[in-house]
Amino acid sequence: AQSVTQLDSQVPVFEEAPVELRCNYSSSVSVYLFWYVQYPNQGLQLLLKYLSGSTLVKGINGFEAEFNKSQTSFHLRKPSVHISDTAEYFCAVSDPYQGGKLIFGQGTELSVKP
Amino acid sequence: EAEVAQSPRYKITEKSQAVAFWCDPISGHATLYWYRQILGQGPELLVQFQDESVVDDSQLPKDRFSAERLKGVDSTLKIQPAELGDSAMYLCASSLPDSTGELFFGEGSRLTVL
Repeated sequence: AQSVTQLDSQVPVFEEAPVELRCNYSSSVSVYLFWYVQYPNQGLQLLLKYLSGSTLVKGINGFEAEFNKSQTSFHLRKPSVHISDTAEYFCAVSDPYQGGKLIFGQGTELSVKP
Repeated sequence: EAEVAQSPRYKITEKSQAVAFWCDPISGHATLYWYRQILGQGPELLVQFQDESVVDDSQLPKDRFSAERLKGVDSTLKIQPAELGDSAMYLCASSLPDSTGELFFGEGSRLTVL
């Protein structure tokens, strides 16, 4: 069985500062990894995904994430955040052989202050 | 741009009443998911459909919850009777059959049980 741990429940940061949201996963098989973003009272939107290949993955809105197999981590980064990045961010994992079902972490609330 | 439609967006009900949520996935998406998101937590899968068949309902509380997708298109999630602990956001998502975990989410239905 897979599980996902997001190490920070809340991350406050000032506008234009860099940010890293941490995610560790546990699995006995190879997995696909994802980051989704959720704005208030809305559904989830895919930011980026890692399926295979290059361990550095670039997504929308200037975000990127790095897959580290030895550390079982998939941390999300952005070099300079904007007020509009304020949202809840979810790391998720799926088993390639289990039909696309996603298992989510608990979420990290990113709060960007002016 | 095609979207996953959900209704109602908000529902307030008293405990012991029945409640139903409706979801219309993106056209051509054979796989449909219902997730429950309790405030401050990540989404948890309730049920997964492939066309009209249930693929996974292991986390669905079957004594009070039911889900159907009779013609393999839209879907209904029902709760009867509702309990206070059912207060949550109910998210519907859809994906292509060969999905690698990229799910498209609706805006969700927020349930408050009084």
